[in-house]
Amino acid sequence: DGGITQSPKYLFRKEGQNVTLSCEQNLNHDAMYWYRQDPGQGLRLIYYSQIVNDFQKGDIAEGYSVSREKKESFPLTVTSAQKNPTAFYLCASSHSGNTEAFFGQGTRLTVV
Amino acid sequence: GEDVEQSLFLSVREGDSSVINCTYTDSSSTYLYWYKQEPGAGLQLLTYIFSNMDMKQDQRLTVLLNKKDKHLSLRIADTQTGDSAIYFCAESLRREYGNKLVFGAGTILRVKS
Repeated sequence: DGGITQSPKYLFRKEGQNVTLSCEQNLNHDAMYWYRQDPGQGLRLIYYSQIVNDFQKGDIAEGYSVSREKKESFPLTVTSAQKNPTAFYLCASSHSGNTEAFFGQGTRLTVV
Repeated sequence: GEDVEQSLFLSVREGDSSVINCTYTDSSSTYLYWYKQEPGAGLQLLTYIFSNMDMKQDQRLTVLLNKKDKHLSLRIADTQTGDSAIYFCAESLRREYGNKLVFGAGTILRVKS
Protein backbone atom coordinates (compact mmCIF):
# COMPACT_ATOMS: atom_id res chain seq x y z
CA ASP A 1 0.00 0.00 0.00
CA GLY A 2 1.23 3.49 -0.80
CA GLY A 3 1.58 5.94 2.00
CA ILE A 4 3.71 8.08 4.24
CA THR A 5 5.22 6.61 7.39
CA GLN A 6 6.62 8.39 10.39
CA SER A 7 8.60 6.72 13.13
CA PRO A 8 8.71 6.42 16.00
CA LYS A 9 5.19 7.29 17.16
CA TYR A 10 6.48 8.41 20.57
CA LEU A 11 9.96 9.67 21.35
CA PHE A 12 11.52 10.82 24.59
CA ARG A 13 14.63 12.94 24.65
CA LYS A 14 16.84 14.16 27.42
CA GLU A 15 17.74 17.82 27.43
CA GLY A 16 20.88 18.51 25.43
CA GLN A 17 20.45 15.54 23.08
CA ASN A 18 19.82 15.56 19.36
CA VAL A 19 17.11 13.25 18.04
CA THR A 20 16.11 12.33 14.51
CA LEU A 21 12.55 11.73 13.38
CA SER A 22 12.02 9.52 10.37
CA CYS A 23 9.66 10.19 7.46
CA GLU A 24 9.41 7.85 4.48
CA GLN A 25 6.97 7.89 1.56
CA ASN A 26 6.39 5.48 -1.32
CA LEU A 27 3.99 7.72 -3.22
CA ASN A 28 6.66 8.96 -5.64
CA HIS A 29 6.05 12.51 -4.41
CA ASP A 30 8.59 15.20 -5.16
CA ALA A 31 7.69 17.52 -2.30
CA MET A 32 7.99 16.77 1.40
CA TYR A 33 7.25 18.91 4.45
CA TRP A 34 7.77 18.96 8.22
CA TYR A 35 5.31 20.67 10.53
CA ARG A 36 5.18 21.19 14.24
CA GLN A 37 1.84 21.19 16.03
CA ASP A 38 1.29 22.79 19.42
CA PRO A 39 -2.10 23.08 21.16
CA GLY A 40 -4.04 26.10 19.96
CA GLN A 41 -1.40 27.07 17.38
CA GLY A 42 -2.19 24.79 14.50
CA LEU A 43 0.58 23.63 12.21
CA ARG A 44 3.75 25.60 11.71
CA LEU A 45 6.12 24.83 8.86
CA ILE A 46 9.66 23.85 9.86
CA TYR A 47 11.27 22.82 6.55
CA TYR A 48 10.14 21.81 3.10
CA SER A 49 11.79 20.21 0.12
CA GLN A 50 10.62 20.23 -3.49
CA ILE A 51 13.38 18.04 -4.91
CA VAL A 52 16.17 15.71 -3.84
CA ASN A 53 19.23 17.44 -2.37
CA ASP A 54 17.37 20.71 -1.93
CA PHE A 55 15.30 22.06 0.96
CA GLN A 56 14.10 25.39 2.29
CA LYS A 57 13.53 26.81 5.75
CA GLY A 58 9.96 27.27 6.84
CA ASP A 59 8.71 29.66 9.47
CA ILE A 60 10.32 28.04 12.53
CA ALA A 61 13.51 26.34 11.29
CA GLU A 62 15.78 27.42 14.14
CA GLY A 63 17.01 24.44 16.14
CA TYR A 64 16.09 21.94 13.43
CA SER A 65 17.93 20.40 10.50
CA VAL A 66 16.89 18.17 7.59
CA SER A 67 18.38 16.25 4.70
CA ARG A 68 16.90 15.01 1.43
CA GLU A 69 19.36 12.49 0.02
CA LYS A 70 16.64 10.27 -1.40
CA LYS A 71 13.25 11.13 -2.87
CA GLU A 72 11.52 8.80 -0.44
CA SER A 73 13.06 10.08 2.77
CA PHE A 74 13.08 13.40 4.61
CA PRO A 75 14.44 12.96 8.17
CA LEU A 76 14.18 15.79 10.68
CA THR A 77 16.79 16.29 13.41
CA VAL A 78 15.74 18.20 16.50
CA THR A 79 18.95 19.62 17.89
CA SER A 80 19.84 20.70 21.40
CA ALA A 81 19.55 24.29 20.15
CA GLN A 82 15.76 23.92 19.92
CA LYS A 83 14.64 25.49 23.18
CA ASN A 84 11.16 24.03 23.40
CA PRO A 85 11.10 20.80 21.39
CA THR A 86 8.17 19.06 23.10
CA ALA A 87 5.46 18.92 20.42
CA PHE A 88 3.67 16.75 17.87
CA TYR A 89 5.61 16.57 14.60
CA LEU A 90 3.88 15.89 11.30
CA CYS A 91 5.47 15.00 7.99
CA ALA A 92 3.65 15.42 4.69
CA SER A 93 4.31 14.85 1.00
CA SER A 94 2.75 15.92 -2.27
CA HIS A 95 3.33 15.99 -5.99
CA SER A 96 4.87 19.19 -7.29
CA GLY A 97 2.36 21.88 -7.97
CA ASN A 98 -0.71 22.82 -6.01
CA THR A 99 -1.95 19.40 -5.14
CA GLU A 100 -3.11 17.78 -1.95
CA ALA A 101 -0.62 16.85 0.74
CA PHE A 102 -0.71 13.45 2.42
CA PHE A 103 0.22 13.31 6.08
CA GLY A 104 1.91 10.73 8.23
CA GLN A 105 0.49 9.75 11.60
CA GLY A 106 2.87 11.99 13.50
CA THR A 107 5.61 11.64 16.13
CA ARG A 108 5.07 12.95 19.63
CA LEU A 109 8.36 14.17 21.04
CA THR A 110 8.72 14.78 24.76
CA VAL A 111 11.77 16.21 26.47
CA VAL A 112 12.37 14.68 29.89
CA GLY B 1 1.04 38.13 4.72
CA GLU B 2 0.46 34.42 5.13
CA ASP B 3 -2.06 34.35 7.96
CA VAL B 4 -4.91 31.87 7.98
CA GLU B 5 -7.42 32.35 10.77
CA GLN B 6 -10.18 30.15 12.09
CA SER B 7 -12.48 30.22 15.08
CA LEU B 8 -11.22 27.83 17.74
CA PHE B 9 -14.32 25.94 18.77
CA LEU B 10 -17.74 24.91 17.45
CA SER B 11 -20.37 22.84 19.21
CA VAL B 12 -23.41 21.41 17.41
CA ARG B 13 -26.09 18.81 18.01
CA GLU B 14 -26.12 15.57 16.10
CA GLY B 15 -28.14 15.95 12.91
CA ASP B 16 -27.64 19.72 12.65
CA SER B 17 -25.42 21.39 10.08
CA SER B 18 -21.96 22.63 11.06
CA VAL B 19 -20.31 25.63 9.43
CA ILE B 20 -16.61 26.20 9.99
CA ASN B 21 -15.18 29.49 8.77
CA CYS B 22 -11.70 30.51 7.68
CA THR B 23 -10.12 33.73 6.47
CA TYR B 24 -6.80 34.11 4.71
CA THR B 25 -4.66 37.05 3.71
CA ASP B 26 -2.55 35.94 0.75
CA SER B 27 -4.49 36.49 -2.46
CA SER B 28 -2.01 34.42 -4.47
CA SER B 29 -3.30 31.15 -3.07
CA THR B 30 -4.39 28.81 -5.83
CA TYR B 31 -5.85 25.90 -3.91
CA LEU B 32 -7.57 25.94 -0.53
CA TYR B 33 -8.01 22.82 1.55
CA TRP B 34 -9.95 21.43 4.45
CA TYR B 35 -8.26 18.76 6.57
CA LYS B 36 -9.64 16.72 9.47
CA GLN B 37 -7.56 15.53 12.41
CA GLU B 38 -8.72 12.95 14.92
CA PRO B 39 -7.00 12.67 18.32
CA GLY B 40 -3.37 11.56 18.14
CA ALA B 41 -3.46 11.13 14.37
CA GLY B 42 -2.22 12.86 11.26
CA LEU B 43 -4.30 15.04 8.98
CA GLN B 44 -6.77 13.62 6.49
CA LEU B 45 -7.73 15.65 3.44
CA LEU B 46 -11.50 16.18 3.33
CA THR B 47 -11.89 18.35 0.30
CA TYR B 48 -10.29 21.18 -1.61
CA ILE B 49 -11.34 23.97 -3.93
CA PHE B 50 -9.52 25.74 -6.72
CA SER B 51 -9.39 29.49 -6.32
CA ASN B 52 -11.45 30.21 -9.44
CA MET B 53 -14.42 28.28 -8.05
CA ASP B 54 -17.13 29.64 -5.75
CA MET B 55 -18.54 26.40 -4.46
CA LYS B 56 -17.80 22.71 -4.35
CA GLN B 57 -20.09 20.00 -3.03
CA ASP B 58 -18.98 16.52 -2.06
CA GLN B 59 -21.66 14.39 -0.38
CA ARG B 60 -22.28 15.98 3.05
CA LEU B 61 -19.56 18.59 2.56
CA THR B 62 -20.04 21.98 0.91
CA VAL B 63 -17.17 24.40 0.46
CA LEU B 64 -17.87 28.06 -0.25
CA LEU B 65 -15.16 30.45 -1.37
CA ASN B 66 -15.49 34.22 -1.41
CA LYS B 67 -12.26 35.29 -3.04
CA LYS B 68 -13.02 39.00 -2.76
CA ASP B 69 -13.33 38.74 1.03
CA LYS B 70 -10.72 35.94 1.27
CA HIS B 71 -13.22 33.84 3.16
CA LEU B 72 -13.60 30.07 3.01
CA SER B 73 -16.22 27.97 4.75
CA LEU B 74 -16.92 24.27 5.22
CA ARG B 75 -20.48 23.14 5.80
CA ILE B 76 -21.09 19.62 7.08
CA ALA B 77 -24.70 18.53 6.63
CA ASP B 78 -26.35 16.10 9.08
CA THR B 79 -23.38 16.24 11.44
CA GLN B 80 -22.62 12.96 13.19
CA THR B 81 -20.70 12.18 16.39
CA GLY B 82 -17.95 10.71 14.20
CA ASP B 83 -17.41 14.17 12.75
CA SER B 84 -16.03 15.36 16.10
CA ALA B 85 -12.43 16.34 15.35
CA ILE B 86 -10.18 19.32 14.62
CA TYR B 87 -10.69 20.88 11.19
CA PHE B 88 -7.88 22.78 9.52
CA CYS B 89 -8.14 25.26 6.71
CA ALA B 90 -5.02 25.54 4.53
CA GLU B 91 -3.90 27.46 1.48
CA SER B 92 -1.26 26.53 -1.06
CA LEU B 93 1.04 29.42 -1.94
CA ARG B 94 3.50 29.56 -4.81
CA ARG B 95 6.92 30.56 -3.63
CA GLU B 96 10.30 30.79 -5.34
CA TYR B 97 11.31 27.36 -4.09
CA GLY B 98 8.03 25.62 -4.64
CA ASN B 99 4.64 25.40 -3.03
CA LYS B 100 4.15 26.21 0.60
CA LEU B 101 1.14 25.01 2.59
CA VAL B 102 -0.01 27.42 5.29
CA PHE B 103 -2.46 26.20 7.91
CA GLY B 104 -4.87 27.85 10.29
CA ALA B 105 -4.84 26.98 13.99
CA GLY B 106 -7.72 24.55 13.60
CA THR B 107 -11.36 24.52 14.74
CA ILE B 108 -12.40 21.95 17.31
CA LEU B 109 -15.80 20.56 16.34
CA ARG B 110 -17.75 18.91 19.12
CA VAL B 111 -20.92 17.03 18.20
CA LYS B 112 -23.38 16.38 21.01
CA SER B 113 -25.72 13.43 20.75
